[in-house]
Amino acid sequence: LAKTTQPISMDSYEGQEVNITCSHNNIATNDYITWYQQFPSQGPRFIIQGYKTKVTNEVASLFIPADRKSSTLSLPRVSLSDTAVYYCLVATNAGKSTFGDGTTLTVKP
Amino acid sequence: DTAVSQTPKYLVTQMGNDKSIKCEQNLGHDTMYWYKQDSKKFLKIMFSYNNKELIINETVPNRFSPKSPDKAHLNLHINSLELGDSAVYFCASSLEGKNIQYFGAGTRLSVL
Repeated sequence: LAKTTQPISMDSYEGQEVNITCSHNNIATNDYITWYQQFPSQGPRFIIQGYKTKVTNEVASLFIPADRKSSTLSLPRVSLSDTAVYYCLVATNAGKSTFGDGTTLTVKP
Repeated sequence: DTAVSQTPKYLVTQMGNDKSIKCEQNLGHDTMYWYKQDSKKFLKIMFSYNNKELIINETVPNRFSPKSPDKAHLNLHINSLELGDSAVYFCASSLEGKNIQYFGAGTRLSVL
């Protein structure tokens, strides 16, 4: 199972763009990169998934370099409600994925 | 319409008791999971199960057992509860071969 490394915490201010990077040096050829968001007292919620290059949806963008050994979740213009823990997962299928320690993002007014 | 629902939301019990947590999903998924999240917020997978295979995390004590009456349900039975079992337990589901999991709201278990 590919191990992931993320910063433990990050602070930002409302309206700023936030980039959270995840390292996954031993990612396998068939592994996908998936990001989840977790609010207090809730279960994790899927944000975005990618395999290579760039993926964008209505919530975030995911940048993956050619070697795929890292990925960056980009949240545009964060608000207070984006304060949460963000997890990066790397796996071929969900049953074999392992949640890392996550990054606690705190958005300040 | 809750996609993945767990009951109860809170469970307080004494050491040594046996308890169950129920999970149901209405997404038509064929794979379900149980996770444990401890006080440090680390999420650890306990089981993944579909109609073909039960994968057990080797660190899970055999006091924990998943029971699946059908594809839409995966209940978690815990025997002889211990203080260290106190945590939040999350159920999740996905389509086999897909990497996206949908989580329930969690069950906060407190063992006294």
